[in-house]
Amino acid sequence: NAGVTQTPKFRILKIGQSMTLQCTQDMNHNYMYWYRQDPGMGLKLIYYSVGAGITDKGEVPNGYNVSRSTTEDFPLRLELAAPSQTSVYFCASSYAPGVGTNEKLFFGSGTQLSVL
Amino acid sequence: EDQVTQSPEALRLQEGESSSLNCSYTVSGLRGLFWYRQDPGKGPEFLFTLYSAGEEKEKERLKATLTKKESFLHITAPKPEDSATYLCAPGGSNYKLTFGKGTLLTVNP
Repeated sequence: NAGVTQTPKFRILKIGQSMTLQCTQDMNHNYMYWYRQDPGMGLKLIYYSVGAGITDKGEVPNGYNVSRSTTEDFPLRLELAAPSQTSVYFCASSYAPGVGTNEKLFFGSGTQLSVL
Repeated sequence: EDQVTQSPEALRLQEGESSSLNCSYTVSGLRGLFWYRQDPGKGPEFLFTLYSAGEEKEKERLKATLTKKESFLHITAPKPEDSATYLCAPGGSNYKLTFGKGTLLTVNP
């Protein structure tokens, strides 16, 4: 099983450039999430989606956009990249929160992004 | 605001030397306390969920316990392959997880 797949694994952007981080899952999970992880900090929620066509902001949404046109895919868009967006980005999915062990998150392997 | 503090930040053990990691939390309407393991360059991997004070769960050399304000991850006779960062994440009534900064565990042979 592939689980949660993220691409690319590494990327260097120049200030002001834009890019899309791709995330796809093959577990038919309703919920999908984007987190960022900075050195020495906990994972911070950027955006999440409870199903196709439905997205909502997390703790740190500024500078990012998302869309969810299918159950499988949840891309994260960075517009006008800034050095503060240098981080490791993780996509995750779950069946549903509050539903026993079905609420556990499955994470992708991450995208390391540097904005210079 | 939901808060979580993990201690120590880093822990170095000899193989076979048991110890515990701490997770202190303040969460509105706790619905579950999650533990994840993260290896370098990888995403976190689920270990346990605890739902009520007094609950315990075990997996190999790991045992997680929960009180109303804290959770402990006990590691018994650790092996080098247990080396990783362990993340604690309480889930509140808003159905979102608040992740701690993690404890970096190193087990020397």
